[in-house]
Amino acid sequence: GENVEQHPSTLSVQEGDSAVIKCTYSDSASNYFPWYKQELGKRPQLIIDIRSNVGEKKDQRIAVTLNKTAKHFSLHITETQPEDSAVYFCAYRNPGNQFYFGTGTSLTVIP
Amino acid sequence: SQTIHQWPATLVQPVGSPLSLECTVEGTSNPNLYWYRQAAGRGLQLLFYSVGIGQISSEVPQNLSASRPQDRQFILSSKKLLLSDSGFYLCAWSHGAGNEQFFGPGTRLTVL
Repeated sequence: GENVEQHPSTLSVQEGDSAVIKCTYSDSASNYFPWYKQELGKRPQLIIDIRSNVGEKKDQRIAVTLNKTAKHFSLHITETQPEDSAVYFCAYRNPGNQFYFGTGTSLTVIP
Repeated sequence: SQTIHQWPATLVQPVGSPLSLECTVEGTSNPNLYWYRQAAGRGLQLLFYSVGIGQISSEVPQNLSASRPQDRQFILSSKKLLLSDSGFYLCAWSHGAGNEQFFGPGTRLTVL
């Protein structure tokens, strides 16, 4: 299966608040789950990832959680800043090394 | 370190014209290579995937084709462009033994 549902499609938060983006996948064989940040007109940049043998990973203000049983994973950004404004994509990799992406979340951090 | 190049950066082509977009990777060998298309305001659609020279997997039936004539070169082509081929085309690579996938700078194609 290649389906990745990502919610919400748009998200506005006040500076300093937290933002949470959720994704659900269907391929139970998936073993790697990256998150990308894409600024307008630029390439997606990898910001954090998690492998299937881990339930949570944190890197400063960014964290990702994975629930393999429920087949969903989430991105958490704390203490948001205006420069966090961008489109965020979740993705998963199947054992065949193919990557499938969510439809994106446009995050706006209001100063 | 690894670097991925794409050219051209932007392209405006008339309907019915041919297309050739090129992607090359430096600093690694035997990468997995990918072509994606991103329509305006939309997500990334996987078009083609390659694990080695001459090995191409197509994800969706379409007006495009891909070739991998060399280990670190991936080419996206079309014989006759359609209006619906407009978009942001991204090449990406990942290492066969690893997990992370990295994107090139992209080519913005407008078909008029």
